[in-house]
Amino acid sequence: KNEVEQSPQNLTAQEGEFITINCSYSVGISALHWLQQHPGGGIVSLFMLSSGKKKHGRLIATINIQEKHSSLHITASHPRDSAVYICAATINRDDKIIFGKGTRLHILP
Amino acid sequence: KAGVTQTPRYLIKTRGQQVTLSCSPISGHRSVSWYQQTPGQGLQFLFEYFSETQRNKGNFPGRFSGRQFSNSRSEMNVSTLELGDSALYLCASSDLARGTGTEAFFGQGTRLTVV
Repeated sequence: KNEVEQSPQNLTAQEGEFITINCSYSVGISALHWLQQHPGGGIVSLFMLSSGKKKHGRLIATINIQEKHSSLHITASHPRDSAVYICAATINRDDKIIFGKGTRLHILP
Repeated sequence: KAGVTQTPRYLIKTRGQQVTLSCSPISGHRSVSWYQQTPGQGLQFLFEYFSETQRNKGNFPGRFSGRQFSNSRSEMNVSTLELGDSALYLCASSDLARGTGTEAFFGQGTRLTVV
């Protein structure tokens, strides 16, 4: 079992829909990262959080430390949000980053 | 402020050759981490350098090595290339001493194809 699990693996939605991507982890972490990767490979760091909630534009990330769970929400989704979203955790014991397998999001116009 | 720059963007090598990839972090960032992304394994941590010292290492064979220079630029080297080394290699830089515990800024990656 991976130490960082994401769901769903693939998600297709209509433009305007509210999107939720989930990430759960099984180890102690010092930080949880949400990354976005567009076709072509470049990765953009969306959020880094260790508690609570962060918001940037239409993106919201939350983390529940007790439940070892984080969610990434996209409000009023748009076709340009289509990308792979990756959850990554910085592990307490050795500071390494472990990545989830990613969620492939496709927003239809 | 310029972003993280990786060169080259694309590379084709043959089995048995060696390859060197370069990463220039954001100015002022002293931590550089390297990652390998393959369709089968996803993103995996290779190693992290901070102030010219390897601070952390993932589970990769010794054919994968790296170094960091005094200006924080980093190189990674893969010797005796195998077909399975074909991947996107990403580097990320961070600006605080703790390195990977802080926000990381990623480069565009180098796509290596081994034939």
